[in-house]
Amino acid sequence: DADVTQTPRNRITKTGKRIMLECSQTKGHDRMYWYRQDPGLGLRLIYYSFDVKDINKGEISDGYSVSRQAQAKFSLSLESAIPNQTALYFCATSDFRAGGGADTQYFGPGTRLTVL
Amino acid sequence: AQSVTQPDIHITVSEGASLELRCNYSYGATPYLFWYVQSPGQGLQLLLKYFSGDTLVQGIKGFEAEFKRSQSSFNLRKPSVHWSDAAEYFCASGGSNYKLTFGKGTLLTVNP
Repeated sequence: DADVTQTPRNRITKTGKRIMLECSQTKGHDRMYWYRQDPGLGLRLIYYSFDVKDINKGEISDGYSVSRQAQAKFSLSLESAIPNQTALYFCATSDFRAGGGADTQYFGPGTRLTVL
Repeated sequence: AQSVTQPDIHITVSEGASLELRCNYSYGATPYLFWYVQSPGQGLQLLLKYFSGDTLVQGIKGFEAEFKRSQSSFNLRKPSVHWSDAAEYFCASGGSNYKLTFGKGTLLTVNP
């Protein structure tokens, strides 16, 4: 979805380096998410944010941190990258769904990260 | 805890043939169900979603899915597959909160 952009699209780094992946959206959504995708494992949630002041850990947050700089920007950092963090990383956004229930999430194009 | 199972890791069909991708969910109440498609090198695109109402849901690109509570299933169908449908397909479910649980995906190959 062109409304959700991720930079960089590809990155190769070395073990121990600090890496930041950035996500921007023009959809005006309050909620943003970071997922990682590994072959055969589907998507797993790393962190999510319901607004600028509300950030929460997902199921696999160890080794990652995030920053919600504005409604439209949500960054994911790997403080000290390790090889098993090699994966495809997706940012997603959603709008709060009145009445409760799961939101429809819209995904960016992904960042392919390789940690050597 | 919620779970989503896509029993078929890889499916191969011929162009023009019909397609059914299976998805089973585990959730106590009525779930919110989604199908996404991921083309090579691309992000996930929403094909269709089910929240309530008519159990047969129409989506983009000629896809449809049917919610069957008795079978805990939300299978994706297309009557005639095109070569451009080759991609990986993900089923996801959500409950009473924001969280989506994804299946592990089904890779679709289309033979000419």
